Amino acid sequence: GENVEQHPSTLSVQEGDSAVIKCTYSDSASNYFPWYKQELGKRPQLIIDIRSNVGEKKDQRIAVTLNKTAKHFSLHITETQPEDSAVYFCAACAGGTSYGKLTFGQGTILTVHP
Amino acid sequence: NAGVTQTPKFRILKIGQSMTLQCAQDMNHNYMYWYRQDPGMGLKLIYYSVGAGITDKGEVPNGYNVSRSTTEDFPLRLELAAPSQTSVYFCASRYRGDRGVYEQYFGPGTRLTVT
Repeated sequence: GENVEQHPSTLSVQEGDSAVIKCTYSDSASNYFPWYKQELGKRPQLIIDIRSNVGEKKDQRIAVTLNKTAKHFSLHITETQPEDSAVYFCAACAGGTSYGKLTFGQGTILTVHP
Repeated sequence: NAGVTQTPKFRILKIGQSMTLQCAQDMNHNYMYWYRQDPGMGLKLIYYSVGAGITDKGEVPNGYNVSRSTTEDFPLRLELAAPSQTSVYFCASRYRGDRGVYEQYFGPGTRLTVT
């Protein structure tokens, strides 16, 4: 089955700096890669996603890049703010008969210091 | 729309007790999922369903059962609770995928402690 590795497990940055979180996946059939943000005690919420026919996607201060050959994808947050502090999870989903099942990474605790 | 709802929010069980975690969605989603999240860890898939009457095992199904009698509801049953089942349980749902929308929407979670 699919295996998703996420690094780093913790990331501490100063407000205004950029943050990058990286994930690798094992199943070359995976074609959908979402990123979720989870605040303490809350549900995961989708912040950005990318499909395998696209190399990069951007939404304001957040961007995701995908390298299908190397089987890795990354989340980039620019101009970080204290409210970006949370746990971030990457996930991968194979197409076809996977029925949308997601395999999650282990999570990255992002702390943005004012 | 209420989205995905879960009850209860919290529960403490004694070892060997049973309970059902309720999940409902009002978005007419075909696909529904149950995940568990252990402290400091990512989410792991327990069971999923692609429609009423159709369910299948995920990565960590042992100790759990599910049913899907309607499109809206997807309850998770714990039989003979064990301390290893102490976790936060999230239910999620999404469209089938033929609309080009793949986002999974999560419920607020149920925090379960087995002592």
